[in-house]
Amino acid sequence: AQSVTQLDSQVPVFEEAPVELRCNYSSSVSVYLFWYVQYPNQGLQLLLKYLSGSTLVESINGFEAEFNKSQTSFHLRKPSVHISDTAEYFCAVSVGFGTQGGKLIFGQGTELSVKP
Amino acid sequence: DTGVSQDPRHKITKRGQNVTFRCDPISEHNRLYWYRQTLGQGPEFLTYFQNEAQLEKSRLLSDRFSAERPKGSFSTLEIQRTEQGDSAMYLCASSLKGGAEAFFGQGTRLTVV
Repeated sequence: AQSVTQLDSQVPVFEEAPVELRCNYSSSVSVYLFWYVQYPNQGLQLLLKYLSGSTLVESINGFEAEFNKSQTSFHLRKPSVHISDTAEYFCAVSVGFGTQGGKLIFGQGTELSVKP
Repeated sequence: DTGVSQDPRHKITKRGQNVTFRCDPISEHNRLYWYRQTLGQGPEFLTYFQNEAQLEKSRLLSDRFSAERPKGSFSTLEIQRTEQGDSAMYLCASSLKGGAEAFFGQGTRLTVV
């Protein structure tokens, strides 16, 4: 079975500071990795994903995440955060999109709070 | 197409009543998923459909829960004899078969009083 652990439930940070949201996963098979963002009373939006290839993936709004197979991690980073980045961030894994169905296993979430 | 649509956005019901939620996926998506999210937790998988076939159900989906996708388009999730523990956000997502990205709706927040 797969599981996801987000190591920080809350991360307060000042605007323009760097941030890292940590995610570790457990799986006996290869997985696909995702970060989703959720704004208050909204659904989830995909931020970025790792399927294969380069272990460093980037989003259009400046976030990046690096897949580290040996450490089973997929930490999310941003060099300079904005007030508008305040949201809940979820790390998720999936074992596949073919016969396995593509269901997602989520971590508990990290609340990022950006202060002026 | 405006994405995945869920109705209603909010539902307050008394314990013991039945409730039904609807999800309209992105039109060309043949996979549809239901998740439940309780306060302070990540979403938990409930069930998924490929076209009209329900292919997997989580152990979280008790006998009081039933989901359908009769024509392979919209889906409904019914909860019978609601309990206070059913209070949660119910999220629907859709994707293409073999697609790596699931698109989520805005969810239905259920409050059982």
